[in-house]
Amino acid sequence: GQQVMQIPQYQHVQEGEDFTTYCNSSTTLSNIQWYKQRPGGHPVFLIQLVKSGEVKKQKRLTFQFGEAKKNSSLHITATQTTDVGTYFCAGPESVDSNYQLIWGAGTKLIIKP
Amino acid sequence: DSGVTQTPKHLITATGQRVTLRCSPRSGDLSVYWYQQSLDQGLQFLIQYYNGEERAKGNILERFSAQQFPDLHSELNLSSLELGDSALYFCASSLGGVSEAFFGQGTRLTVV
Repeated sequence: GQQVMQIPQYQHVQEGEDFTTYCNSSTTLSNIQWYKQRPGGHPVFLIQLVKSGEVKKQKRLTFQFGEAKKNSSLHITATQTTDVGTYFCAGPESVDSNYQLIWGAGTKLIIKP
Repeated sequence: DSGVTQTPKHLITATGQRVTLRCSPRSGDLSVYWYQQSLDQGLQFLIQYYNGEERAKGNILERFSAQQFPDLHSELNLSSLELGDSALYFCASSLGGVSEAFFGQGTRLTVV
């Protein structure tokens, strides 16, 4: 079945540095979704990318969907303590005409003290 | 507030026992998903229901079962509990499989 690989597993940054997480799918995705889970919280939907080569921005967050619709990235510029958490990507997989989300393992953003 | 309600928030129980976790999806959502998240781990997909029918199964143990009722709320039953079953259990709902998922606050299960 489809797999979604997400790297790195952890990223330690100084506050003010940039952060990037990458997702790669074994198959072409109809869309890719990004979620953020704060420590002790639940995953919260951030954005969905649908078009090949699509780039979307939310303030300091930039989301990209690859031309082949098999990879995606999330880049945070000038990280702040409020960015701390785990970022997950997820893509739908079709199984017997039913779609379910396949999740990456997540990248944990840690701000160094 | 995601609109997805999970109860209880916390549950402490002994090994060998059985528990039921409950989820009410967002109004209008037909799909319900159950996930298990162990400490500092990713989301392990357990099972999906759509409009009352089971649609997909993930890494769900035979000791675990779920159902979705006509009013679309769902229950996850965990039996013969083991220490390793201690985890956060999330329910999520969506309009359909390709739509974004909305998560509940989770049920933290501790098996002692």
